[in-house]
Amino acid sequence: GQQVMQIPQYQHVQEGEDFTTYCNSSTTLSNIQWYKQRPGGHPVFLIQLVKSGEVKKQKRLTFQFGEAKKNSSLHITATQTTDVGTYFCAGRGSARQLTFGSGTQLTVLP
Amino acid sequence: SAVISQKPSRDICQRGTSLTIQCQVDSQVTMMFWYRQQPGQSLTLIATANQGSEATYESGFVIDKFPISRPNLTFSTLTVSNMSPEDSSIYLCSVREAGANVLTFGAGSRLTVL
Repeated sequence: GQQVMQIPQYQHVQEGEDFTTYCNSSTTLSNIQWYKQRPGGHPVFLIQLVKSGEVKKQKRLTFQFGEAKKNSSLHITATQTTDVGTYFCAGRGSARQLTFGSGTQLTVLP
Repeated sequence: SAVISQKPSRDICQRGTSLTIQCQVDSQVTMMFWYRQQPGQSLTLIATANQGSEATYESGFVIDKFPISRPNLTFSTLTVSNMSPEDSSIYLCSVREAGANVLTFGAGSRLTVL
């Protein structure tokens, strides 16, 4: 079945440093979504990417979908303490099933 | 987007008992799902709650252990039956609204089984 892996599993950064998490699928995806889960909270949708090579920005967050539609990345510029949480990618494959990645837990040190 | 009320928010249960989690949505939605998130882990889909018919379960999850009801387009319940400590987890209700391709999650129900 479809598998979606994320690296790193954990990342500690100093406030102001950049952060990147990578997502890789075992199969080609029709689209990929990113969610953020704050500590003690529930996942909240951030963005969806559909086109090969697509790049979208939300303020300090940049999302990219790979040319082969099998990988994606989320980059945060100049992290802030409000960025703390776990970031999940979720890929939708040919079976229309949405598979969540393993998540990257971001800690931002003030 | 839809607003989801899920209860209980947390509970501590004894081994061998059952607990029913309720999910109420403030609008009619086509798709409702139940996820499990074990401590520090990702989200695993348990089943799709189908209105008026039996839920569609994912591999590794069975109806006897996780019976689901969905009597209408705004409400669903998930029961965790004959609980063991391995069932300690967060259970999340989520919906996908018509015309949208993204999930909205409830706040989750944190279950601890002693």
